Amino acid sequence: KNQVEQSPQSLIILEGKNCTLQCNYTVSPFSNLRWYKQDTGRGPVSLTIMTFSENTKSNGRYTATLDADTKQSSLHITASQLSDSASYICVSRGDMRFGAGTRLTVKP
Amino acid sequence: GAGVSQSPSNKVTEKGKDVELRCDPISGHTALYWYRQSLGQGLEFLIYFQGNSAPDKSGLPSDRFSAERTGGSVSTLTIQRTQQEDSAVYLCASSLAGLAGGYTFGSGTRLTVV
Repeated sequence: KNQVEQSPQSLIILEGKNCTLQCNYTVSPFSNLRWYKQDTGRGPVSLTIMTFSENTKSNGRYTATLDADTKQSSLHITASQLSDSASYICVSRGDMRFGAGTRLTVKP
Repeated sequence: GAGVSQSPSNKVTEKGKDVELRCDPISGHTALYWYRQSLGQGLEFLIYFQGNSAPDKSGLPSDRFSAERTGGSVSTLTIQRTQQEDSAVYLCASSLAGLAGGYTFGSGTRLTVV
């Protein structure tokens, strides 16, 4: 059983807009949580790796946050671009089972 | 190598034939993973190697599927007597530090069973 739940399943936004993707995890104790981006037809690529002690981590226009109390993480994308269209997947430490993630479509 | 390399990139096979998919992980990465992804679906975990042993192969869908890893490096996923439902993209990933490390994925092998 997957140890994370992501929402929404899919999201459509206009180019230039911001969006936030959610990840609720159940694994405890927590070591690290990772966000991946998967373009259609390609393997997932790591965006961020967050440890238990980190609250926020940025990678360009991507900012991941972590609330260990509520076991929630979010991925915020700023000033979206057409190339951000992809699936975004969060995975918790030790869990080799990826969920389907959130399918983001950015439209012009 | 610089990245995870998978071969072939595409494979079309007839139903009932056996296929072998190959994965060359990043040099020095001790952990290796196989996943399967059907169109529009998430990644389905198949098997995990630490070195040459497979501590978790619970994701293999049937006894037609097997995998091995030799020399702590190259891995081969074998599907015997292929069925149409085996059609999918098969992705391999490797990591430096086992379950705690981040994965680097290959580009996958697109398998089509006709």
